[in-house]
Amino acid sequence: DAGVIQSPRHEVTEMGQEVTLRCKPISGHDYLFWYRQTMMRGLELLIYFNNNVPIDDSGMPEDRFSAKMPNASFSTLKIQPSEPRDSAVYFCASSFRESIYFGEGSWLTVV
Amino acid sequence: AQSVTQLGSHVSVSEGALVLLRCNYSSSVPPYLFWYVQYPNQGLQLLLKYTTGATLVKGINGFEAEFKKSETSFHLTKPSAHMSDAAEYFCAVTTSLTGGGNKLTFGTGTQLKVEL
Repeated sequence: DAGVIQSPRHEVTEMGQEVTLRCKPISGHDYLFWYRQTMMRGLELLIYFNNNVPIDDSGMPEDRFSAKMPNASFSTLKIQPSEPRDSAVYFCASSFRESIYFGEGSWLTVV
Repeated sequence: AQSVTQLGSHVSVSEGALVLLRCNYSSSVPPYLFWYVQYPNQGLQLLLKYTTGATLVKGINGFEAEFKKSETSFHLTKPSAHMSDAAEYFCAVTTSLTGGGNKLTFGTGTQLKVEL
């Protein structure tokens, strides 16, 4: 299997622009997670889905962030409008039972 | 609520020396514990996990960890460090593998440096 696939790997955008991050989970996995990693806050869980349904979005920082999972093989995390403090690495992960597998991350810089 | 504490944000060892990365957890119910490794500019890779059964868990790349309930610890060890082990290591805990989802709570990470 190709693993969890994220795109883009790197994105630089201007403050106020919309950013969309994409994730393809491992086939057959029933959970999908979005994490954010920063130096200051470490790894934070933003939201997770079970069988395409959002279960817990309490980690989403504010209304500017939204996530969708229209089918079992695709999810998006959208930031609109983006701000410099959103600069971070965003990881998508998927799991089946106890092991969670991470993608390589999307490096976002908002200037 | 569960949490993990990783003692030492930076650890430096000589090549060939013992690696010991410390992790203590807090959980009101039996925990499930994980170690992940992150190489520069890459995602997190699962090293090993403790769910049930044997408390000494062996993982990839020669790493192992022992679950000690009495000490609420899950320290990561490797008998002999290699230069390629230089990376950041994260301990993580969850209290559910099903139902509510195995969402992990991560520690703050330990950067391992291996010197010649």
